Amino acid sequence: DIVMTQSPDSLAVSLGERATINCKSSQTVLYSSNNKNYLAWYQQKPGQPPQLLIYWASTRESGVPDRFSGSGSGTDFTLTISSLQAEDVALYYCQQYFDTPYTFGQGTKLEIK
Amino acid sequence: EVQLVESGGGVVRPGGSLRLSCAASGFTFDDYGMSWIRQAPGKGLEWVSRINWNGGGIGYSDSVKGRFTISRDNAKNSLYLQMNSLRAEDTALYYCARMTPANWFDPWGQGTLVTVSS
Repeated sequence: DIVMTQSPDSLAVSLGERATINCKSSQTVLYSSNNKNYLAWYQQKPGQPPQLLIYWASTRESGVPDRFSGSGSGTDFTLTISSLQAEDVALYYCQQYFDTPYTFGQGTKLEIK
Repeated sequence: EVQLVESGGGVVRPGGSLRLSCAASGFTFDDYGMSWIRQAPGKGLEWVSRINWNGGGIGYSDSVKGRFTISRDNAKNSLYLQMNSLRAEDTALYYCARMTPANWFDPWGQGTLVTVSS
């Protein structure tokens, strides 16, 4: 199984500041035949189901604010929120869809400092 | 609007069975694969099972293989999860989610809570 490890487990950032969450996979999720990274990011607010933010490691889902961006390739990925807003307080999960079983990182809790 | 509504959760004793349902609307159900994903209380996300648009391509996590069975009825726009031999560690909020062709999950339902306790 591909193990996904996020860091940090929790993060406190001031409003308007940058937040960075890292995700590392135990093996590559880059498919060489199409040069795509099979990596998604989700946001989960309290009492709500996860919501897709980013797929293919860096493609923002329609309707997601452009302060959210994804980067990385192979085994190392980053979710960046360029200017933290109050509504961004949530849990964030990375997920690989390169192979079954599809696996998630353990989650990163983002709070306001 | 795409909607996924899970039902069938409840409290069950260890060793018991439960059948979850997921009613889909707002999209052409038989164009998409579907998955069940669970979240134990206060814990992270664990993919449980998947099924292709035509009922093929079935897969399970090792933790539920041999105990859970996924199925779908495209005529009823519904996804199911038959859960047998339930254990305390199966206690979780169970989400159904639509799968894109590349296999990420979007959207997710609100979930149905399964509690396995004596």
